[in-house]
Amino acid sequence: AQSVSQHNHHVILSEAASLELGCNYSYGGTVNLFWYVQYPGQHLQLLLKYFSGDPLVKGIKGFEAEFIKSKFSFNLRKPSVQWSDTAEYFCAVNPGGYNKLIFGAGTRLAVHP
Amino acid sequence: EAGVVQSPRYKIIEKKQPVAFWCNPISGHNTLYWYLQNLGQGPELLIRYENEEAVDDSQLPKDRFSAERLKGVDSTLKIQPAELGDSAVYLCASSATSGGGELFFGEGSRLTVL
Repeated sequence: AQSVSQHNHHVILSEAASLELGCNYSYGGTVNLFWYVQYPGQHLQLLLKYFSGDPLVKGIKGFEAEFIKSKFSFNLRKPSVQWSDTAEYFCAVNPGGYNKLIFGAGTRLAVHP
Repeated sequence: EAGVVQSPRYKIIEKKQPVAFWCNPISGHNTLYWYLQNLGQGPELLIRYENEEAVDDSQLPKDRFSAERLKGVDSTLKIQPAELGDSAVYLCASSATSGGGELFFGEGSRLTVL
């Protein structure tokens, strides 16, 4: 079955630390890849997406993600986190153009000032 | 542009009672989704509509859950009767046909079953 794995359920960082959240998926065909963020009390919002082309994708608020096809991975990175990045981050995959998203379990990030 | 609108935001009911959630998608979005999000987990698809047609409802527990999207715009998700394990957040999302799977989410309806 198609699935998405996020390696870290909880991450705690200090401001200015670098962030990398892992995401792996199980699907052998063409995929569209997404990272969504959910700030406390808010709805899920798109952070960035990858459809094709340059495997290094830049999103909002200084986030970027790299698609490595050989590793079935789509890791999220940010060089220097801020307190306002405290949120839950979800990796999601749209496999083979089925027009639906399969989500990972999420990573809860807490950034301390 | 208005986003996806859901109501109610919160609902508390006793077990065995019915409950209904309503969703109005972004104007022009043909595809509408209902997702279930349990605490500490990612959203899981319950049902997907293309216009009025439910094209993927394999994860919808049909013994107690039902959904409709009569005119291909807004949608209702119903649970009857509710069980304790149904306590969760019910998310509605919509997407454009050519959106590549990018979903736009509402704020969710948080259900507590006592």
